[in-house]
Amino acid sequence: QQQVKQSPQSLIVQKGGISIINCAYENTAFDYFPWYQQFPGKGPALLIAIRPDVSEKKEGRFTISFNKSAKQFSLHIMDSQPGDSATYFCAASKSRAAGNKLTFGGGTRVLVKP
Amino acid sequence: DSGVTQTPKHLITATGQRVTLRCSPRSGDLSVYWYQQSLDQGLQFLIQYYNGEERAKGNILERFSAQQFPDLHSELNLSSLELGDSALYFCASSDISGDTDTQYFGPGTRLTVL
Repeated sequence: QQQVKQSPQSLIVQKGGISIINCAYENTAFDYFPWYQQFPGKGPALLIAIRPDVSEKKEGRFTISFNKSAKQFSLHIMDSQPGDSATYFCAASKSRAAGNKLTFGGGTRVLVKP
Repeated sequence: DSGVTQTPKHLITATGQRVTLRCSPRSGDLSVYWYQQSLDQGLQFLIQYYNGEERAKGNILERFSAQQFPDLHSELNLSSLELGDSALYFCASSDISGDTDTQYFGPGTRLTVL
């Protein structure tokens, strides 16, 4: 059962453009929603995270938008740079509950063309 | 560098064999998680330990087992290996007693079963 669905699977954006990745979740008990960035041959690294008590969080060029009623959240990468070319994963967990395992989306491979 | 270390980086073995993957969490982190990343299944949670005790279990096969030692390092044991076990295995750690749910991932162990 895929509890977190991520789209698109891949996207190509020009340098300076906006990359948008969407995720939808099913389990309303989730209350922590991180985004991870993964480069080839490396482990996932936390990019930005949000809790459902806020609708938006911005850190530099990265913004999470959260829609609790729709059970959806998205990552916006503004002014995309070639160095942003990586695979991005959304995830969800029940924070600090017994076993706050991360449930990941399927990933989005982003290619930023110079 | 996340502060989480994993050894070995690469492992090549044959079907039917047994291997042990090792993880050292970030200093001070009591919780260790194991994840499997494969092309067809994505990133999947296997198991979590907290201060030496099993905390949560995911879709971990019966052929797989893990433990966390008093010095907090963890080992994932994979036995009776099959071709389908070829994947990247990540360890992550977190300090779930604090205010953050951030999980920090290690660089992974790439397992190839021939």
